[in-house]
Amino acid sequence: DTAVSQTPKYLVTQMGNDKSIKCEQNLGHDTMYWYKQDSKKFLKIMFSYNNKELIINETVPNRFSPKSPDKAHLNLHINSLELGDSAVYFCASSPEGSPPHEQFFGPGTRLTVL
Amino acid sequence: QQQVKQSPQSLIVQKGGISIINCAYENTAFDYFPWYQQFPGKGPALLIAIRPDVSEKKEGRFTISFNKSAKQFSLHIMDSQPGDSATYFCAASRGTGRRALTFGSGTRLQVQP
Repeated sequence: DTAVSQTPKYLVTQMGNDKSIKCEQNLGHDTMYWYKQDSKKFLKIMFSYNNKELIINETVPNRFSPKSPDKAHLNLHINSLELGDSAVYFCASSPEGSPPHEQFFGPGTRLTVL
Repeated sequence: QQQVKQSPQSLIVQKGGISIINCAYENTAFDYFPWYQQFPGKGPALLIAIRPDVSEKKEGRFTISFNKSAKQFSLHIMDSQPGDSATYFCAASRGTGRRALTFGSGTRLQVQP
């Protein structure tokens, strides 16, 4: 299946731990994103990568670090997890260029910090 | 600062009725306005989108109305069905190429049979 996939789907961890979420897309897209959806369903961009280059880095604590080993993968590493990091994290991808293109979202990773 | 404001927060409509969700934006540099639909436990999926040089776009039962001077746009779902029950997000983006979306706060729609 062509899609955006994320692992794990659920992640439960203790405060202070370091964790990673992996994202892969097999759509051949050049741009990948990380969004955070909080408990009120509000979706906010965190990062955007284009061909392994960081393009957008919104006001996100530097405990969050995206890593793109190749243009099909964009992983999110989180250091020193805090309670407020609990949310659903979505990876997305889109093709490069104009006109505007649809963004394809992964199924999300629900992170719970205890 | 919320750049895209969405209302209502929740909406209950009877089957066959019209669902209307409204959004307003502040940044006139936005040039692409999509609506995304999200079912529980799933990622958002593109429903329909419009550019500001068009006042209306219709795809099946879904219509976007766009008012550039008022900086407002709305989603109309005609003949609403229980299967339309989901959370709907308006969004906006700008620039070419890499387009991060600025989302509204979402509207939870329930269509009662």
